[in-house]
Parts: sequence; structure tokens; C-alpha cells
Amino acid sequence: NAGVTQTPKFQVLKTGQSMTLQCAQDMNHNSMYWYRQDPGMGLRLIYYSASEGTTDKGEVPNGYNVSRLNKREFSLRLESAAPSQTSVYFCASSGDRGLYEQYFGPGTRLTVT
Amino acid sequence: AQSVTQPDIHITVSEGASLELRCNYSYGATPYLFWYVQSPGQGLQLLLKYFSGDTLVQGIKGFEAEFKRSQSSFNLRKPSVHWSDAAEYFCAVGTAGYALNFGKGTSLLVTP
Repeated sequence: NAGVTQTPKFQVLKTGQSMTLQCAQDMNHNSMYWYRQDPGMGLRLIYYSASEGTTDKGEVPNGYNVSRLNKREFSLRLESAAPSQTSVYFCASSGDRGLYEQYFGPGTRLTVT
Repeated sequence: AQSVTQPDIHITVSEGASLELRCNYSYGATPYLFWYVQSPGQGLQLLLKYFSGDTLVQGIKGFEAEFKRSQSSFNLRKPSVHWSDAAEYFCAVGTAGYALNFGKGTSLLVTP
């Protein structure tokens, strides 16, 4: 099993450009999450999807949109990137057998210039 | 809202010495508490968790943590640190939608 995969690993955008971060899990998990990690700030929740077909805002949703495409995939979209969105983005998933036990992807390092 | 505080931003210990990383939580009921570890350039890995029951929980890599309700703490310990333990450690509390609220992390440096 690959676990949680994220693409791309690295990305540089100019201010105002858009992009979509992809996340997929092969563990048949119901719940998926997007976090951002900034130095000295820990991880902050952007959006989550408790089950297929539902999405909810987390702590820092402004400037982002998400799509739970199916049970496996959960994408994060930046419609108009800003320098403040420079960060490392992590996707995670959790399943019925271990609610809250989240499995993390390797992250996407995004720089917005 | 549930929150966690990790008072120590950086900790340095000698290889072979004992380790304790502090975590304090704010939550009305019994919280779901976690410790995760992040090696440089990697994602996060679950070390251990506390849901209920025995307040001393064992995790992977020789780590343990003790839940103390009276002190609102969930400190992580290891009796003898190895150089490979150098990493960032995050305490987290479960919140709505089975999401996690993370502390800001403690960076562990291990010296020879």
C-alpha cells in the first residue's frame, strides 16, 4: 500500500496564479484532511472531509477550496495564490478503525512569489 | 475550543539521557490526545495516543506518555534517547470531524 500520496512535491507560483494540490489514499479511509505547516505555528487545519460527499472548514480556510472527488481523493485548490500561502501542505486520512489516528502524506512545499 | 500548548520550542539532550517533552491541553471533557513525530522533510508519524483507561500509554520507538487530568498534561518521555530521535514532536488533541488541533511543536536536538 502507498498510504497517502500527494502531488506535486514542490511548486513555485506567482501571485495570482491558481493551482490544485492532489491527495489520494488507498486505505479505504472515510475522513480526509488538509493542513498547512508554517515555522513556529505547528499544523493548522484548512479543510476536512469527514466522509465522502461532505466538506467542512477548519481553522484557516480563507483563500482555499476543496473537493472530495471520491472516497480516495481530496484536492485543495488555490484560486488566486498569495505570498501568505507559502507553506508546506499536508494531506491526511483516518478510518473507522482508528478515528483520529491520522496518516499523513509526505507534503507539498509551495512557494508563492 | 480544544487546544494544546507545548511550552518548549527547542530541547537539547545528550544521547543516552532521558527525555521529557511537555504538553498541556485545554478541554472540558476527557480529551483524545496524541503525540506525532516529524523527521526533517517528512510527513508526521503517530507515536502514541490516549483515549481513556490506563493513564500511562506506550508507543512506538520506546516512547511513553502519561495523562494527568489534574495537571491537564500529556507529557512524552523516553528513558534513553538515540541520535535518530532528533526530530520535531507535536502534541495534538482531537476535535470536530475527527480532525486534530496541533501544538506548535518541540524541536529535539540530540548531541553526542
